[in-house]
Amino acid sequence: EVQLLESGGGLVQPGGSLRLSCAASGFTFSSCAMNWVRQAPGRGLEWVSTFTGSGGSTYYAASVKGRFTISRDNSKNTLYLQMNSLRAEDTAIYYCAKSPYSNSVGGFDYWGQGTLVTVSS
Amino acid sequence: QLVLTQSPSASASLGASVKLTCTLSSGHSSYPIAWHQQQPEKGPRYLMNLNSDGSHSKGDGIPDRFSGSSSGAERYLTISSLQSEDEADYYCQTWGTGIQGVFGGGTKLTVL
Repeated sequence: EVQLLESGGGLVQPGGSLRLSCAASGFTFSSCAMNWVRQAPGRGLEWVSTFTGSGGSTYYAASVKGRFTISRDNSKNTLYLQMNSLRAEDTAIYYCAKSPYSNSVGGFDYWGQGTLVTVSS
Repeated sequence: QLVLTQSPSASASLGASVKLTCTLSSGHSSYPIAWHQQQPEKGPRYLMNLNSDGSHSKGDGIPDRFSGSSSGAERYLTISSLQSEDEADYYCQTWGTGIQGVFGGGTKLTVL
């Protein structure tokens, strides 16, 4: 059974940093591209970042480029999102999502339950 | 620019059928999409991949009541025999070379 378990969310002041983790199980983690998607309160889904499987390429939405860094540890089956210079508009539930392919996003075929990040003073 | 357009809301009666639409922007009519369901206060759930020829592959445990079809730049999600638990937000998603993730604005389905 595929499971994705996010952690690391919380309350942080504007300008602060936070690191999210996503522990994966039930599939060959290293063979799949992995993604972060967020949802601001009352809003729709917004793709944030992707880390491909083989090749190790990273991609970011324009809204987070230069502030967020996606990484993965295939030995620990874990995906990370380092978030720096946080702004109020980064407040959202952050979801980890699995891609069915290694080097392409595809339709996200499994989702985690999400972790809430609140940026406020 | 790759954009997905969805109607903000839809409604249908318990036991009836409903067809939700996701429209790909001009020049992108051949792109596949995925449909996702988000029930209230829950994370999204993958429903299916849907290709331009209407072929689709559903996620684990998705009932036969959910089906997909395509026509030109339109991608459809049909839910038959509506149940109360089908009341949810439905999002379409696409991808492409150099384009990692694009979501539609979502359709809020109300089951009357």
